[in-house]
Amino acid sequence: DTGVSQDPRHKITKRGQNVTFRCDPISEHNRLYWYRQTLGQGPEFLTYFQNEAQLEKSRLLSDRFSAERPKGSFSTLEIQRTEQGDSAMYLCASSPMGQSTSYTFGSGTRLTVV
Amino acid sequence: GDSVTQMEGPVTLSEEAFLTINCTYTATGYPSLFWYVQYPGEGLQLLLKATKADDKGSNKGFEATYRKETTSFHLEKGSVQVSDSAVYFCALSPEGGGSNYKLTFGKGTLLTVNP
Repeated sequence: DTGVSQDPRHKITKRGQNVTFRCDPISEHNRLYWYRQTLGQGPEFLTYFQNEAQLEKSRLLSDRFSAERPKGSFSTLEIQRTEQGDSAMYLCASSPMGQSTSYTFGSGTRLTVV
Repeated sequence: GDSVTQMEGPVTLSEEAFLTINCTYTATGYPSLFWYVQYPGEGLQLLLKATKADDKGSNKGFEATYRKETTSFHLEKGSVQVSDSAVYFCALSPEGGGSNYKLTFGKGTLLTVNP
């Protein structure tokens, strides 16, 4: 098992463009999480999936953000009409059922909006 | 709401020095407490955790004790190495219930250990 994979590692985009990130969790983990980390801050919770169901969305996740986890495997996070304030590291993590806080984090996707 | 406050960095130490990074929290009841470490270019890794009062988490020479009376979970190591250079995050998850999967992090403390 190679752990949690995120793609791409880095993304530079122009303001107003749409971007999509992918996360592949550990295969036997049915819980998947997205966090956002801005410079000098700790990660902040964005959203959580149990299998394919999105069970919670933070108020940080504006209507320009959408996350999916079709078939309960990989997940995508899309940001529409990017703004400079979206520049951050987007972290994905997964955990097995019943061990909610035994997270394994991916290395993250760093987004820069210019 | 829940919050975590940790010692501002950066912290610079010489090899074999003693390390303390302070962490205090605000939460109802008995949250679970964690220290995560982030090495350059890598994801966050769980360093240690404690799930009830007076528990001591330990790993790789690092220790932290869950102190309910002071709402603290300070990270300590007796003798740091250059390889310990990283960013350290204190975090909590709420006690039981429906949201215990959600982590609240502090801002992180950058530790640099010089040879």
